[in-house]
Amino acid sequence: GQSLEQPSEVTAVEGAIVQINCTYQTSGFYGLSWYQQHDGGAPTFLSYNGLDGLEETGRFSSFLSRSDSYGYLLLQELQMKDSASYFCAVRARGGQNFVFGPGTRLSVLP
Amino acid sequence: DAGVIQSPRHEVTEMGQEVTLRCKPISGHDYLFWYRQTMMRGLELLIYFNNNVPIDDSGMPEDRFSAKMPNASFSTLKIQPSEPRDSAVYFCASSLGQIFKNIQYFGAGTRLSVL
Repeated sequence: GQSLEQPSEVTAVEGAIVQINCTYQTSGFYGLSWYQQHDGGAPTFLSYNGLDGLEETGRFSSFLSRSDSYGYLLLQELQMKDSASYFCAVRARGGQNFVFGPGTRLSVLP
Repeated sequence: DAGVIQSPRHEVTEMGQEVTLRCKPISGHDYLFWYRQTMMRGLELLIYFNNNVPIDDSGMPEDRFSAKMPNASFSTLKIQPSEPRDSAVYFCASSLGQIFKNIQYFGAGTRLSVL
């Protein structure tokens, strides 16, 4: 089976940097993805890591360590619009389906 | 492209009634996924299709749930009979399987309330 763990809530102020961690247990591993979901909205893709290391996309970066079964999403220069839930998702080798983590609710304060 | 289109956006029904949710994936995508999201259980995969064929339906909660994909541009998720515990937001997503990032594009969702 597969399981993922994320902090349930994170709070930070505008302009700050925040890191959202994700640990996973899976039989077989193909990649770790991150999705953002605003209240009342649909999940939207943010980032993907198939190999160890850091992937950077603008203000967002994602990191993966396959040996530690660990990844994180780093959000820099936080803006109010970044207030949302963030989900990590694991894709198991051989499958096209994801297992999503429980989500981390990020609140950005002025 | 208009993205993944789901209908209806909201559905309110009474316990015991049949509910049908609809999804049009992004043209050219060969994978289609149905998810259910609740506060208690988070985002759960119910079933997914590849080239209109169901691949994994292990997430379908019970026989009251069924899903079909008669062609590449249309899928339905049916609940019969519906129960209050089925109240949730149901998302449809599609992806292009050959892309290594396997980005899933989600529809806006159907918010189902079973009274």
